[in-house]
Amino acid sequence: GAGVSQSPRYKVAKRGQDVALRCDPISGHVSLFWYQQALGQGPEFLTYFQNEAQLDKSGLPSDRFFAERPEGSVSTLKIQRTQQEDSAVYLCASSLTGPSYEQYFGPGTRLTVT
Amino acid sequence: KNQVEQSPQSLIILEGKNCTLQCNYTVSPFSNLRWYKQDTGRGPVSLTIMTFSENTKSNGRYTATLDADTKQSSLHITASQLSDSASYICVVSAPAGGSYIPTFGRGTSLIVHP
Repeated sequence: GAGVSQSPRYKVAKRGQDVALRCDPISGHVSLFWYQQALGQGPEFLTYFQNEAQLDKSGLPSDRFFAERPEGSVSTLKIQRTQQEDSAVYLCASSLTGPSYEQYFGPGTRLTVT
Repeated sequence: KNQVEQSPQSLIILEGKNCTLQCNYTVSPFSNLRWYKQDTGRGPVSLTIMTFSENTKSNGRYTATLDADTKQSSLHITASQLSDSASYICVVSAPAGGSYIPTFGRGTSLIVHP
Protein backbone atom coordinates (compact mmCIF):
# COMPACT_ATOMS: atom_id res chain seq x y z
CA GLY A 1 0.00 0.00 0.00
CA ALA A 2 0.95 3.63 -0.33
CA GLY A 3 3.13 5.08 2.37
CA VAL A 4 3.37 8.60 3.67
CA SER A 5 4.03 11.08 0.89
CA GLN A 6 5.29 14.63 1.11
CA SER A 7 5.49 17.44 -1.39
CA PRO A 8 7.45 19.17 -2.60
CA ARG A 9 10.55 17.06 -2.01
CA TYR A 10 12.76 20.12 -2.35
CA LYS A 11 11.96 23.76 -1.84
CA VAL A 12 14.19 26.78 -2.20
CA ALA A 13 12.79 29.99 -0.80
CA LYS A 14 14.17 33.47 -0.54
CA ARG A 15 14.33 34.89 2.94
CA GLY A 16 11.01 36.49 3.76
CA GLN A 17 8.90 34.28 1.51
CA ASP A 18 6.08 32.10 2.79
CA VAL A 19 6.16 28.35 2.11
CA ALA A 20 3.63 25.53 2.45
CA LEU A 21 4.65 21.91 2.87
CA ARG A 22 2.17 19.12 2.31
CA CYS A 23 1.86 15.69 3.94
CA ASP A 24 -0.40 12.85 2.82
CA PRO A 25 -0.50 10.26 5.61
CA ILE A 26 -1.30 6.60 5.23
CA SER A 27 -5.04 6.24 4.71
CA GLY A 28 -6.87 5.60 7.97
CA HIS A 29 -4.03 6.72 10.22
CA VAL A 30 -5.35 8.76 13.10
CA SER A 31 -2.17 10.45 14.27
CA LEU A 32 0.06 12.77 12.27
CA PHE A 33 3.34 14.36 13.31
CA TRP A 34 5.64 17.01 11.93
CA TYR A 35 9.36 17.00 12.71
CA GLN A 36 12.24 19.28 11.81
CA GLN A 37 15.57 17.63 11.14
CA ALA A 38 18.72 19.72 10.89
CA LEU A 39 21.74 18.31 9.09
CA GLY A 40 23.38 15.57 11.13
CA GLN A 41 20.74 15.70 13.86
CA GLY A 42 17.80 13.55 14.88
CA PRO A 43 14.26 14.70 14.17
CA GLU A 44 12.89 17.37 16.50
CA PHE A 45 9.18 17.33 17.27
CA LEU A 46 7.12 20.24 15.96
CA THR A 47 3.46 19.35 16.30
CA TYR A 48 0.98 16.47 16.59
CA PHE A 49 -2.57 15.92 15.33
CA GLN A 50 -5.12 13.33 16.28
CA ASN A 51 -7.60 13.39 13.42
CA GLU A 52 -8.22 17.11 12.82
CA ALA A 53 -7.38 18.19 16.35
CA GLN A 54 -3.96 19.68 16.97
CA LEU A 55 -3.21 18.22 20.39
CA ASP A 56 0.33 19.46 20.81
CA LYS A 57 2.15 22.30 19.09
CA SER A 58 4.76 22.88 21.74
CA GLY A 59 7.61 22.19 19.33
CA LEU A 60 6.79 24.92 16.83
CA PRO A 61 9.78 27.28 17.09
CA SER A 62 7.90 30.53 16.54
CA ASP A 63 4.55 31.99 15.58
CA ARG A 64 5.77 31.99 11.98
CA PHE A 65 5.07 28.26 11.94
CA PHE A 66 1.52 27.05 11.51
CA ALA A 67 0.11 23.59 10.83
CA GLU A 68 -3.34 22.38 9.99
CA ARG A 69 -5.19 19.17 9.20
CA PRO A 70 -8.72 20.39 8.54
CA GLU A 71 -10.32 17.11 7.46
CA GLY A 72 -8.24 14.75 9.51
CA SER A 73 -6.17 13.45 6.60
CA VAL A 74 -3.86 15.71 4.58
CA SER A 75 -1.83 18.17 6.61
CA THR A 76 -0.03 21.38 5.66
CA LEU A 77 2.87 22.98 7.50
CA LYS A 78 3.15 26.66 6.68
CA ILE A 79 6.14 28.83 7.44
CA GLN A 80 5.71 32.56 7.08
CA ARG A 81 8.50 35.04 6.41
CA THR A 82 11.11 32.31 6.15
CA GLN A 83 14.53 32.84 7.68
CA GLN A 84 17.82 31.09 7.04
CA GLU A 85 17.60 29.15 10.29
CA ASP A 86 14.43 27.50 8.95
CA SER A 87 16.57 25.56 6.46
CA ALA A 88 16.14 21.89 7.35
CA VAL A 89 14.37 18.72 6.32
CA TYR A 90 10.75 18.65 7.43
CA LEU A 91 9.52 15.13 8.09
CA CYS A 92 5.94 14.02 8.40
CA ALA A 93 4.93 10.76 10.08
CA SER A 94 1.64 9.03 10.71
CA SER A 95 0.52 6.25 13.01
CA LEU A 96 -2.59 4.12 13.11
CA THR A 97 -3.51 5.05 16.64
CA GLY A 98 -1.67 7.00 19.32
CA PRO A 99 1.78 8.60 19.39
CA SER A 100 3.45 5.76 21.27
CA TYR A 101 2.76 3.38 18.44
CA GLU A 102 4.61 2.69 15.23
CA GLN A 103 5.21 5.86 13.22
CA TYR A 104 5.66 5.68 9.46
CA PHE A 105 7.71 8.48 8.00
CA GLY A 106 7.52 10.24 4.69
CA PRO A 107 10.66 11.06 2.67
CA GLY A 108 10.72 14.64 3.93
CA THR A 109 10.84 18.06 2.32
CA ARG A 110 14.24 19.69 2.19
CA LEU A 111 13.79 23.44 2.64
CA THR A 112 16.63 25.77 1.80
CA VAL A 113 16.22 29.45 2.60
CA THR A 114 18.64 31.71 0.73
CA LYS B 1 13.71 16.55 30.88
CA ASN B 2 13.44 13.38 28.81
CA GLN B 3 16.65 12.68 26.94
CA VAL B 4 18.02 10.03 24.61
CA GLU B 5 21.79 9.88 24.15
CA GLN B 6 23.41 7.79 21.43
CA SER B 7 26.99 6.70 20.95
CA PRO B 8 29.16 6.72 19.06
CA GLN B 9 28.20 9.75 17.00
CA SER B 10 29.74 8.12 13.95
CA LEU B 11 31.32 4.79 13.12
CA ILE B 12 33.27 3.41 10.18
CA ILE B 13 33.64 -0.34 9.72
CA LEU B 14 34.66 -2.77 7.01
CA GLU B 15 32.10 -4.83 5.15
CA GLY B 16 31.45 -8.14 6.87
CA LYS B 17 32.35 -6.90 10.36
CA ASN B 18 29.95 -6.64 13.28
CA CYS B 19 29.20 -3.48 15.24
CA THR B 20 27.18 -2.33 18.23
CA LEU B 21 25.46 1.02 18.69
CA GLN B 22 24.45 2.34 22.10
CA CYS B 23 21.45 4.25 23.40
CA ASN B 24 20.97 5.61 26.94
CA TYR B 25 17.71 7.29 27.93
CA THR B 26 16.14 9.11 30.84
CA VAL B 27 12.54 8.94 29.58
CA SER B 28 10.22 8.03 32.43
CA PRO B 29 7.74 6.45 32.58
CA PHE B 30 8.74 4.21 29.74
CA SER B 31 6.51 2.53 27.18
CA ASN B 32 8.63 1.35 24.32
CA LEU B 33 11.95 1.84 22.57
CA ARG B 34 12.44 1.74 18.84
CA TRP B 35 15.43 1.72 16.56
CA TYR B 36 15.08 3.37 13.17
CA LYS B 37 17.33 3.27 10.12
CA GLN B 38 17.50 6.45 8.06
CA ASP B 39 19.14 6.33 4.66
CA THR B 40 20.43 9.60 3.25
CA GLY B 41 17.60 11.63 1.78
CA ARG B 42 14.88 9.37 3.13
CA GLY B 43 12.62 9.21 6.15
CA PRO B 44 13.42 6.88 9.07
CA VAL B 45 12.27 3.26 8.78
CA SER B 46 11.54 1.14 11.86
CA LEU B 47 13.88 -1.78 12.58
CA THR B 48 12.75 -3.01 16.01
CA ILE B 49 10.37 -2.08 18.78
CA MET B 50 10.61 -3.30 22.37
CA THR B 51 8.44 -2.80 25.42
CA PHE B 52 9.87 -2.64 28.94
CA SER B 53 9.32 -6.38 29.44
CA GLU B 54 11.39 -7.41 26.42
CA ASN B 55 15.15 -7.90 26.62
CA THR B 56 15.95 -8.60 23.00
CA LYS B 57 14.37 -8.34 19.57
CA SER B 58 15.82 -9.42 16.25
CA ASN B 59 15.13 -8.37 12.68
CA GLY B 60 17.40 -10.25 10.32
CA ARG B 61 20.97 -9.15 10.94
CA TYR B 62 19.81 -6.50 13.41
CA THR B 63 19.46 -7.41 17.10
CA ALA B 64 18.33 -4.90 19.69
CA THR B 65 18.71 -5.38 23.43
CA LEU B 66 17.10 -3.49 26.26
CA ASP B 67 17.95 -3.17 29.95
CA ALA B 68 15.08 -1.23 31.48
CA ASP B 69 16.79 -1.14 34.87
CA THR B 70 19.85 0.70 33.62
CA LYS B 71 17.87 2.45 30.83
CA GLN B 72 20.23 1.28 28.14
CA SER B 73 19.68 -0.24 24.75
CA SER B 74 22.01 -1.47 22.04
CA LEU B 75 21.64 -2.31 18.39
CA HIS B 76 23.97 -5.03 17.11
CA ILE B 77 24.54 -5.41 13.39
CA THR B 78 25.98 -8.71 12.24
CA ALA B 79 28.00 -9.28 9.06
CA SER B 80 27.62 -5.69 7.91
CA GLN B 81 26.81 -4.88 4.30
CA LEU B 82 27.41 -1.75 2.27
CA SER B 83 23.66 -1.09 2.39
CA ASP B 84 23.85 -0.79 6.16
CA SER B 85 25.49 2.62 5.70
CA ALA B 86 22.91 4.95 7.22
CA SER B 87 21.98 6.84 10.37
CA TYR B 88 20.52 4.74 13.19
CA ILE B 89 18.16 6.55 15.52
CA CYS B 90 16.95 5.43 18.95
CA VAL B 91 13.45 6.62 19.93
CA VAL B 92 11.86 6.25 23.37
CA SER B 93 8.17 6.73 24.08
CA ALA B 94 6.14 7.31 27.21
CA PRO B 95 2.86 5.45 27.79
CA ALA B 96 -0.24 6.62 25.95
CA GLY B 97 -1.85 9.24 28.11
CA GLY B 98 1.55 10.50 29.17
CA SER B 99 3.72 12.69 27.03
CA TYR B 100 2.52 12.61 23.46
CA ILE B 101 5.97 13.16 22.16
CA PRO B 102 8.44 10.34 21.44
CA THR B 103 11.97 11.41 22.30
CA PHE B 104 14.50 10.96 19.51
CA GLY B 105 18.23 10.52 19.82
CA ARG B 106 20.57 12.35 17.45
CA GLY B 107 21.50 9.13 15.73
CA THR B 108 24.71 7.24 14.98
CA SER B 109 26.06 7.62 11.48
CA LEU B 110 27.38 4.28 10.25
CA ILE B 111 29.61 3.97 7.19
CA VAL B 112 30.43 0.52 5.87
CA HIS B 113 33.47 0.38 3.58
CA PRO B 114 34.18 -2.40 1.09
